[in-house]
Amino acid sequence: QLQLQESGPGLVKSSETLSLTCSVSGGSISTSSYYWGWVRQPPGKGLEWIGSMNYRGGSYYEPSLMSRVAISIDTSKNQFSLSLTSLTAADTAVYFCASGLDGYKAYWGQGTLVTVSS
Amino acid sequence: DIQMTQSPSTLPASVGDRVTITCRASESISGWLAWYQQKPGKAPKLLIYQASSLESGVPSRFSGSGSGTEFTLTISSLQPDDFGTYYCQHYYGHSWAFGQGTKVEIK
Repeated sequence: QLQLQESGPGLVKSSETLSLTCSVSGGSISTSSYYWGWVRQPPGKGLEWIGSMNYRGGSYYEPSLMSRVAISIDTSKNQFSLSLTSLTAADTAVYFCASGLDGYKAYWGQGTLVTVSS
Repeated sequence: DIQMTQSPSTLPASVGDRVTITCRASESISGWLAWYQQKPGKAPKLLIYQASSLESGVPSRFSGSGSGTEFTLTISSLQPDDFGTYYCQHYYGHSWAFGQGTKVEIK
């Protein structure tokens, strides 16, 4: 059973870059059939898919975020990361890391609240 | 980009009710659709994948159907633990998306 855990700053400044890491336990991030990705949820709002990456190299991003986002995998640490640049208040959200076969997400982290301050 | 639209946005219901939530895609996604349940302050929980496959451990009162552009999630007899917000998500192609959510609340 995979377990995922997000880590990173809870408060970041506007215009700066957010870096979050998701640590994976209970399985290998090198599993070729899995997608590793990020989903966010602004306070009181719905879920927004950010992007996903497959160990074989395929990476997919939400078009509206594509110019600011990157997901990477570190097999040596069994973790994957999110980088989101040029932050604004609209990026304030709970950020979840998630994984599963194909594109559905069977495994989720508990989520981490990121607040963008001016 | 493929857009996902759920209806209704809010669904008042009572324990024992049969509940149906609809998710429509702006273009065909074949059967590449999942359903999730989310409780306040918690991560979403996968219920259904590939439009109609029940995730292991999910009660059999949950079922999914549909293909192409129209999909439904049905709860055959609503239980107290089923109140919460439900989301559909497509994973077709290279840009995936969630519906806006349906809140199932106590009538």
